[in-house]
Amino acid sequence: KQEVTQIPAALSVPEGENLVLNCSFTDSAIYNLQWFRQDPGKGLTSLLLIQSSQREQTSGRLNASLDKSSGRSTLYIAASQPGDSATYLCAVPQAGTALIFGKGTTLSVSS
Amino acid sequence: DAGVIQSPRHEVTEMGQEVTLRCKPISGHDYLFWYRQTMMRGLELLIYFNNNVPIDDSGMPEDRFSAKMPNASFSTLKIQPSEPRDSAVYFCASRIEETEAFFGQGTRLTVV
Repeated sequence: KQEVTQIPAALSVPEGENLVLNCSFTDSAIYNLQWFRQDPGKGLTSLLLIQSSQREQTSGRLNASLDKSSGRSTLYIAASQPGDSATYLCAVPQAGTALIFGKGTTLSVSS
Repeated sequence: DAGVIQSPRHEVTEMGQEVTLRCKPISGHDYLFWYRQTMMRGLELLIYFNNNVPIDDSGMPEDRFSAKMPNASFSTLKIQPSEPRDSAVYFCASRIEETEAFFGQGTRLTVV
C-alpha cells in the first residue's frame, strides 16, 4: 500500500527566501506525481504534474523534481512571497490510479 | 470548462438525517474520485469511478456511505444515517486517464 510522507509539517520563512518542501513515497512504481496547493477553507489547486519519465518540471517560481528510485520528490519555491502562504500537498497514484496524499506542509511567508 | 462543481458548499444536518453530496466532473474526464478531509486524517480516498463504474470503494468507511455515478456528468455521495464523526470536508475530483487531477471546492459537512 502506497504511503506518502511530507516533511516538514510546517515551515515559516521571511519573504524572499528560497525554500524546499520534501515528499517521500513507499512504492516507486508510479507513473506521475502531482503537487497541489490548498488555501484555508478552499479546494486543491494543481501546481505541477511531473511524469515518471521526467526528472524536473517548472512553472514560474516553482520547480518540482522526482527521483523514482529513491521514492522522493521536492518542490522548490524561489523568492518566496506572502501570497505563497498555504498548505502544499504531494500526491502519487496507488495501484496505478487513485491519488494518495501526504499530510501536507503548511507554509507561512512573512513580509 | 467551469471545473469540477460540487454542491452544496456547506451542509449542516442533524444526526440521523440523510445527506447527499453532489459532483459534476469536468466534461470528457473518465475518472471521478471522492475524498474526505479532516484535520486528524488528512485527505482520504473514499471511492473512485472509471467510465461511471465504481472501481474501488475500499475507502468507504461504513455501509452508511454509498456513491453512485448514473452518467458521465453527475455523481452523488450519500450518508444515511449521518453521525457527528462524519463531519469533514468532502472533495470530488476528476481527470482523464493518467493525467492531471482537478478538484472541486469541496462540501463542508457538519453533523450536529
